[in-house]
Amino acid sequence: DAGVTQSPTHLIKTRGQQVTLRCSPKSGHDTVSWYQQALGQGPQFIFQYYEEEERQRGNFPDRFSGHQYPNYSSELNVNALLLGDSALYLCASSLIGTVNNEQFFGPGTRLTVL
Amino acid sequence: RKEVEQDPGPFNVPEGATVAFNCTYSNSASQSFFWYRQDCRKEPKLLMSVYSSGNEDGRFTAQLNRASQYISLLIRDSKLSDSATYLCVVSNDYKLSFGAGTTVTVRA
Repeated sequence: DAGVTQSPTHLIKTRGQQVTLRCSPKSGHDTVSWYQQALGQGPQFIFQYYEEEERQRGNFPDRFSGHQYPNYSSELNVNALLLGDSALYLCASSLIGTVNNEQFFGPGTRLTVL
Repeated sequence: RKEVEQDPGPFNVPEGATVAFNCTYSNSASQSFFWYRQDCRKEPKLLMSVYSSGNEDGRFTAQLNRASQYISLLIRDSKLSDSATYLCVVSNDYKLSFGAGTTVTVRA
């Protein structure tokens, strides 16, 4: 049973560039959430996708956008990269309607913006 | 005010010791509560859910006090492998809110 997978594992970009990160959820899951974890901080919620629509959004600017495909996989896009976007980006999957909303995390993509 | 606040530690304890730490959360309507464990530069992994009645999983005991909006974790008989950052997590409308984490180091 494959867990949550993310690609790429590491990425280096320069300010102003755009980046796309990818996530495949755990088998049987239909919901994907994205989180940003800066060094020394806990993960911060970016947004959640269900049925190919953005269901909830955290306090992140419109430069952060996403997409969910019919096979439940998801992408996170960040435009006009800033130095402060350097972080570990985590994808988490879950099954809608689960009583306690348990989410399973992928290994993350470490983004460095120079 | 942050949604979830944790004692950052670090806690440096010898093997076999008991260590306890806690967190507080601001949203009284929060629905579910968890402790996640995160090893250095890895993804968070669910350690245990936390229920109002309190719950144990082996050497780990979690408590939730909804009236005080307070969650605790106690680790008994600490092992070297317990060294990690422990994240207090609160769920609202399917969104997880994380504390900044409590770092625990268990020394031989």
